[in-house]
Order: sequence, then structure tokens, then C-alpha cells
Amino acid sequence: DAGVIQSPRHEVTEMGQEVTLRCKPISGHDYLFWYRQTMMRGLELLIYFNNNVPIDDSGMPEDRFSAKMPNASFSTLKIQPSEPRDSAVYFCASSPPTGTSGYNEQFFGPGTRLTVL
Amino acid sequence: DQQVKQNSPSLSVQEGRISILNCDYTNSMFDYFLWYKKYPAEGPTFLISISSIKDKNEDGRFTVFLNKSAKHLSLHIVPSQPGDSAVYFCAASDSWGKLQFGAGTQVVVTP
Repeated sequence: DAGVIQSPRHEVTEMGQEVTLRCKPISGHDYLFWYRQTMMRGLELLIYFNNNVPIDDSGMPEDRFSAKMPNASFSTLKIQPSEPRDSAVYFCASSPPTGTSGYNEQFFGPGTRLTVL
Repeated sequence: DQQVKQNSPSLSVQEGRISILNCDYTNSMFDYFLWYKKYPAEGPTFLISISSIKDKNEDGRFTVFLNKSAKHLSLHIVPSQPGDSAVYFCAASDSWGKLQFGAGTQVVVTP
């Protein structure tokens, strides 16, 4: 299995531009998560989906951020317009259906390093 | 508000010795705890976990201890190896699927 795939790996853009980050979860996983890592706040959950439906977007910082999951194999995180404070590493993670233990580990992608100038 | 705290941003340990990483949490509703390991330019990878009904879980060189009354958990790595040099994140969950992460501890294992 290729694992969680994210693209691009690095993105440099100018303030005000639209940025789209992409994620392909592991096949068969029905949960997908978007995280952001910064020095100040560490790893924080932005939004997660179950069976392509957004379940909790309370971590999305503001209306400039939006996420979609049009099908089981693809999700996007969009920032429009981007600002320098959005500079961070953005991770996508996926996990399989809930097992009898009630919990399954999340598998993370390699991340997208976003720099907004 | 940070509900999961790792107060030591870094830890240096000699190869072969024990590494002890600490994590504190504030939410008594957390019932599942995990440790993730992260190398540079890679995503975090799952290391070990523990349910709130247990106080210890061991997997090879890695052992996690949970003290619910103190709302504290720790990760012991024995013996430490150079390949253990990485950032370690503590995480906690109060309902399936939503994790709260600590800020991470950078471990450096020296020869």
C-alpha cells in the first residue's frame, strides 16, 4: 500500500493567493483528517470526514479555510485568500472503520509545507 | 486551550540508557492515549497506545504508563538507540477519531 498521499509536498505562494492542498487516503479507510502543525500550537485538528461527510469542522480557523471530500479517494483543503500566518505544515491522515476496540490508529501522510509570503 | 501538554520540548539521552517522556492532560473524559513518532519531512507514525482501563502497556523497547488520578502518562524507551532520535507526540481522545495532540518532545540519542 502506498500510504496516505499528499500533494504538493511544498507550496510557496504570495499573500492573497488561493492555495489548494490535496490528499489521497489509504484505500478502505473511511475516516479522513486534516491537521496543521505550527511551532506555536503544535498539531491541531482542523476537520475530519467519515464516509466523505464532514463530521467536525470546529478546528477550521476561519472562513478562509474550506475542505471537501468529493469521493472516498480524494480530499482537498483550500485557503482563499492565503495569509502569512497560514504558513505551516498541513497533514492529512486516514483511519479504517471502527473496530471492536472502538479505536483505530490514524495513518498520516508526509505533509505539505506551506509558505505564504 | 491545550488539553494535552508535553512540558519538555527536548530530551537528550545516551545510547543504551532509558528515555522517559512525559505527558499531562486536563480533560478527565479522555479514555484513550497514544504516542506518535515523527522524523523530519515525514508524517507522524503510530508508536504505542493505552486504554484508560489499563495502567501499563508494553511493546518491545517501548512501555507506556498511565496514572489516571494524576492525569499523567509517560513513555519509556529502553534501551535508547540512535534511530529513536525523533519528535514524540502524546495524543488523547475522548471519543473515537478525534485526537488532541501535545506540542511534542524532540529526543536526541547520542552515541
